[in-house]
Amino acid sequence: DTGVSQDPRHKITKRGQNVTFRCDPISEHNRLYWYRQTLGQGPEFLTYFQNEAQLEKSRLLSDRFSAERPKGSFSTLEIQRTEQGDSAMYLCASSQLAGGGPQYFGPGTRLLVL
Amino acid sequence: QQQVKQSPQSLIVQKGGISIINCAYENTAFDYFPWYQQFPGKGPALLIAIRPDVSEKKEGRFTISFNKSAKQFSLHIMDSQPGDSATYFCAASLHGGTSYGKLTFGQGTILTVHP
Repeated sequence: DTGVSQDPRHKITKRGQNVTFRCDPISEHNRLYWYRQTLGQGPEFLTYFQNEAQLEKSRLLSDRFSAERPKGSFSTLEIQRTEQGDSAMYLCASSQLAGGGPQYFGPGTRLLVL
Repeated sequence: QQQVKQSPQSLIVQKGGISIINCAYENTAFDYFPWYQQFPGKGPALLIAIRPDVSEKKEGRFTISFNKSAKQFSLHIMDSQPGDSATYFCAASLHGGTSYGKLTFGQGTILTVHP
């Protein structure tokens, strides 16, 4: 296991379509975070999981967004009825709970909504 | 509300020079301050991090200086190389409570190192 992986790396969709992204964290990490990054900005927190429990959601995460982490392993982020404003890089990160371990990021999924 | 402010927005340095990027934070409860390096099309990569119980941390050519009273911290890149050309982000997070570990990022600094 060499790091956090995300799939797909790129996604182009039409406005109104639903999209789903997957994140596989580093295997022993029990915390998993989703961030969104728009061009020229720093990543912004969306939500995070401790094992399978979703503990916090940002107000940036509208009702069209939903995230899951079944069995505390991989996570999915779904966007329903996509809008052009959803175009961004979606980043996943994972960390160990104990000792406040650092977060390691995946390569991201670049979403373009036409 | 921008809780972590980063400057400068862009920085040009000659090879071998020192690159300095500054960050200021507002929330005194923050107690973990990492720096990330990001290349175009890639995810952020952790460079170095510091906790407020120390004023400086050095790892290779990278040094974090931390001033708790001023609520400021900075990244120094010694002997800057063209391969260091990237976007650098400072960040901060809380140690405890439900928001434990959630990173708040600065706006980023685009570093260009000329050969």
